[in-house]
Amino acid sequence: DAKTTQPPSMDCAEGRAANLPCNHSTISGNEYVYWYRQIHSQGPQYIIHGLKNNETNEMASLIITEDRKSSTLILPHATLRDTAVYYCIPHRRSSASKIIFGSGTRLSIRP
Amino acid sequence: EAQVTQNPRYLITVTGKKLTVTCSQNMNHEYMSWYRQDPGLGLRQIYYSMNVEVTDKGDVPEGYKVSRKEKRNFPLILESPSPNQTSLYFCASSSVASGSYEQYFGPGTRLTVT
Repeated sequence: DAKTTQPPSMDCAEGRAANLPCNHSTISGNEYVYWYRQIHSQGPQYIIHGLKNNETNEMASLIITEDRKSSTLILPHATLRDTAVYYCIPHRRSSASKIIFGSGTRLSIRP
Repeated sequence: EAQVTQNPRYLITVTGKKLTVTCSQNMNHEYMSWYRQDPGLGLRQIYYSMNVEVTDKGDVPEGYKVSRKEKRNFPLILESPSPNQTSLYFCASSSVASGSYEQYFGPGTRLTVT
């Protein structure tokens, strides 16, 4: 399983774009990049995933570099409710494949 | 509403008293899993199930049992709880058939063993 490196903490002003980086240089060809977040002690929430193309949904955008060694999650207009710990997780799409949560990035949105 | 439910949400118990934490999902998901979350250790997988009657150990299975007799339910059983099982527990489910594999998590169960 690929290891990930994320900054332990970041902050962003409300209304601005929050860009959260993740390094996954050992990712294998069949591993997707999944992003989850956890607000305080609530259950983690799925955000988005991708393989090699950039992806966008109603919550966020995901930019994956061409060599797939890193990715960036973009929250286009951060709000106070986006304050959470964000996890970047490489994952093979197999039911037998474990999802391994690292330590993530604690994102604080300031008013 | 599509959801994963857990009960109880909070539980204080004593060492050695058997307990069960229930988990149920209404999304017809094949895959279900249990995690525990401890300060400084993050989320760690306890057990997972790929479908009815199919379960397997995660990273920290010692002291826990699970069963998957029905697709929607995946209870976590602590036969003889000990204080080191004090933790925040999350159940999750995901669809295998759809090919997406994103996991949906329950609200968590905060367990204290004295």
